[in-house]
Amino acid sequence: GAGVSQSPSNKVTEKGKDVELRCDPISGHTALYWYRQSLGQGLEFLIYFQGNSAPDKSGLPSDRFSAERTGGSVSTLTIQRTQQEDSAVYLCASSFGDRVLQPQHFGDGTRLSIL
Amino acid sequence: GESVGLHLPTLSVQEGDNSIINCAYSNSASDYFIWYKQESGKGPQFIIDIRSNMDKRQGQRVTVLLNKTVKHLSLQIAATQPGDSAVYFCAELSGGSYIPTFGRGTSLIVHP
Repeated sequence: GAGVSQSPSNKVTEKGKDVELRCDPISGHTALYWYRQSLGQGLEFLIYFQGNSAPDKSGLPSDRFSAERTGGSVSTLTIQRTQQEDSAVYLCASSFGDRVLQPQHFGDGTRLSIL
Repeated sequence: GESVGLHLPTLSVQEGDNSIINCAYSNSASDYFIWYKQESGKGPQFIIDIRSNMDKRQGQRVTVLLNKTVKHLSLQIAATQPGDSAVYFCAELSGGSYIPTFGRGTSLIVHP
């Protein structure tokens, strides 16, 4: 499809395990964002990638969280030693990063549940 | 009507009515605003945007109004349909920043 694709759509894992979440942005979009959304809450910014620039990691809640973006396209968000408070929907969005005043386009998210 | 409680503010309307969803933003330097619609189990979907040099912008069945004096943004939906039921939230972006600030959202419930 032409939209942002995220996988898996749902992930259930035990506390202490590591998880990897994947995002395929819209072709041609140079900017990629990861957000976290807890039930009934707004979007919490995690990390931002723009082209080949160093990512803005200012939103990552702890050093257990990391993200990579390979080849300027696909991105992976990794959470190590998961905790129950990590349970949330993780959303990825992309946009034309070279045009600041542009909307972000979101995937449907990965719903992460930590048992 | 609209109520605010422990959960998201909720607006309940009858099918065919016009809906108005409000958003107060915080940064007077914000110069770009976006409305998103989020249905259950889905990601946010772009509806309409407006730049700070405009007061009003219209789309298909939707209108966004911007009042910079009181830092207020509203989304008007004409002839609301059951398919419009969702959470709506606004986002603001200030010049030079690539990271928007998102509101918590308002839950719109449309009764057939």
